[in-house]
Amino acid sequence: AQTVTQSQPEMSVQEAETVTLSCTYDTSESDYYLFWYKQPPSRQMILVIRQEAYKQQNATENRFSVNFQKAAKSFSLKISDSQLGDAAMYFCAYRVGDNYGQNFVFGPGTRLSVLP
Amino acid sequence: KAGVTQTPRYLIKTRGQQVTLSCSPISGHRSVSWYQQTPGQGLQFLFEYFSETQRNKGNFPGRFSGRQFSNSRSEMNVSTLELGDSALYLCASIPGLADMNTEAFFGQGTRLTVV
Repeated sequence: AQTVTQSQPEMSVQEAETVTLSCTYDTSESDYYLFWYKQPPSRQMILVIRQEAYKQQNATENRFSVNFQKAAKSFSLKISDSQLGDAAMYFCAYRVGDNYGQNFVFGPGTRLSVLP
Repeated sequence: KAGVTQTPRYLIKTRGQQVTLSCSPISGHRSVSWYQQTPGQGLQFLFEYFSETQRNKGNFPGRFSGRQFSNSRSEMNVSTLELGDSALYLCASIPGLADMNTEAFFGQGTRLTVV
């Protein structure tokens, strides 16, 4: 069974500083997809960044980047120049399935606070 | 383009009752998935529907069921409610099934409280 672990239940960062959220996963698949979703107080899950496992280059989206270590099954999220609006729950997720059905397996989440 | 719409936003029910939640996906999206979010268990997959067919199901009891209509709108039903069913129920939509890298768009959820 696929599992996703986020070892940091809570983290805090000063505004404008950099923070890294950790995520590890377990899978026997060779090709798969990893995601980071953000859930602000509004409760709506918002995609932050995604990574295809067969791509060795780490994904980046503006201030957000990942450190994808396939052999270690690690997928950490780095947030640079943190902003107050980055405060939220962050979920690491692994997507499983095929053309006949798919779903996410989510980690337990990390609550990020941004201090002014 | 309108986002994923879930109704109602909040719901309070009594143990033993049944409840129906609704999800309207983004226009053109044919796959709808449901997730249960609780503080203790986190986000857990309930089921996925595509073209009115249930394609995938999580590990939940038969009290949890769902369906999808021809316009891709989906409903989920929970019968004989238990206190442990209190949760945020999230719906997600994607265009189809072929591309596993496709972004899933989530609604704001329905907060169900069972008393």
